[in-house]
Amino acid sequence: AQSVTQLGSHVSVSEGALVLLRCNYSSSVPPYLFWYVQYPNQGLQLLLKYTSAATLVKGINGFEAEFKKSETSFHLTKPSAHMSDAAEYFCAVSDSWGKLQFGAGTQVVVTP
Amino acid sequence: DSGVTQTPKHLITATGQRVTLRCSPRSGDLSVYWYQQSLDQGLQFLIQYYNGEERAKGNILERFSAQQFPDLHSELNLSSLELGDSALYFCASSLGTSGKRGNEQFFGPGTRLTVL
Repeated sequence: AQSVTQLGSHVSVSEGALVLLRCNYSSSVPPYLFWYVQYPNQGLQLLLKYTSAATLVKGINGFEAEFKKSETSFHLTKPSAHMSDAAEYFCAVSDSWGKLQFGAGTQVVVTP
Repeated sequence: DSGVTQTPKHLITATGQRVTLRCSPRSGDLSVYWYQQSLDQGLQFLIQYYNGEERAKGNILERFSAQQFPDLHSELNLSSLELGDSALYFCASSLGTSGKRGNEQFFGPGTRLTVL
């Protein structure tokens, strides 16, 4: 069975500081990994996805994630936080049928 | 705007009742997925349809059922509702069924169900 674990349910960052959200996965086969963002009262929006083409994946809004097989990790980063980054972020792994298994989510608060 | 539409946006009903949630996928997408988001369970996959056929089932209760129609819209039916069924229900769509590249899922805005 595939699963993801997000470390930290809440993260507070200062505006302009590095954003680092941690995700570890468990999968018996090469995984397909995703990061989604959910703004208040909205659906989920795809930030980026890893499908084995490159280990460093660039997404929208300045986010990127690095796939590290040795560490079974897929951490999300953004060099400089913006107030508009305040949202909940979900890491997810996809099985061969495409259904997504989500982590518990990390709520990001950005302080001025 | 993801192109996936869900109706209604909000639904308030009483225990024991039955409701139907509707989803229209993006134009051209053949797969529809239903997810439930609640505070205690997080985001959970319920069921997947591809071109009218059920393809995968997750943690979906027997009181819940779904179908995908020839025009590819999908409905999620929830019956004998309990307080614990209060949640946000998302529909997502994708072009195919595979989890491989190109099978990005696009999420609708969700239906918030409140059971009183």
